[in-house]
Amino acid sequence: EVQLLESGGGLVQPGGSLRLSCAASGFTFSNYAMTWVRLAPGKGLEWVSVIGDSGGTTYYADSVKGRFTISKDNSKNTLYLQMKSLRAEDTAVYYCAKLSFWRGPYDVWGQGTTVTVSS
Amino acid sequence: EIVLTQSPGTLSLSPGERATLSCRASQSVSSSYLVWYQLKPGQAPRLLIYGASSRATGIPDRFSGSGSGTDFTLTISRLEPEDFAVYYCQQYGDSRYTFGQGTKLEIK
Repeated sequence: EVQLLESGGGLVQPGGSLRLSCAASGFTFSNYAMTWVRLAPGKGLEWVSVIGDSGGTTYYADSVKGRFTISKDNSKNTLYLQMKSLRAEDTAVYYCAKLSFWRGPYDVWGQGTTVTVSS
Repeated sequence: EIVLTQSPGTLSLSPGERATLSCRASQSVSSSYLVWYQLKPGQAPRLLIYGASSRATGIPDRFSGSGSGTDFTLTISRLEPEDFAVYYCQQYGDSRYTFGQGTKLEIK
């Protein structure tokens, strides 16, 4: 069964850091690009970042550029999102998802992990 | 940056009725990169339509997508109770993805 399982969410103070993980199983992780999407309370889905299958290509939303870093470890079948200089507006459920192909739709999603930025 | 505007914001319908959801882009979008997702509370988003009109695996044929250029539509021919959710369109362009703000489909 194809599965994505996020972890690493929690409560963090403004200005703090957090690293999210997304463990993949049931497919050849190294063959697929991956992405992070977030859903803030009362808001809509917001794309955060995407990474190519080998990890060599990364893109970011303007709202997180320079603060967040996406990476993937193909030997561990795991996607990461390193978040720094966190702000209250980063509070959200963070989903990882698998791209069906580069630039393509997200065909598999995790259940999400919650990040709360508050003092 | 391409902005996607979905309408209406909320759609109130009854089971068995037809739902028509609109997604309008601020500039022309490649149909290849226009996607629709469904989101229910507490669940992961679900891919419905990709390439503007192709149904994803396992999606019932009451869901259909159409459109090109700047105007796209998601149609649900006969609403089932499980279809009441929030629907998002999404596009890829210029090394980034953008989502519309969503349409909430609620039971009337």
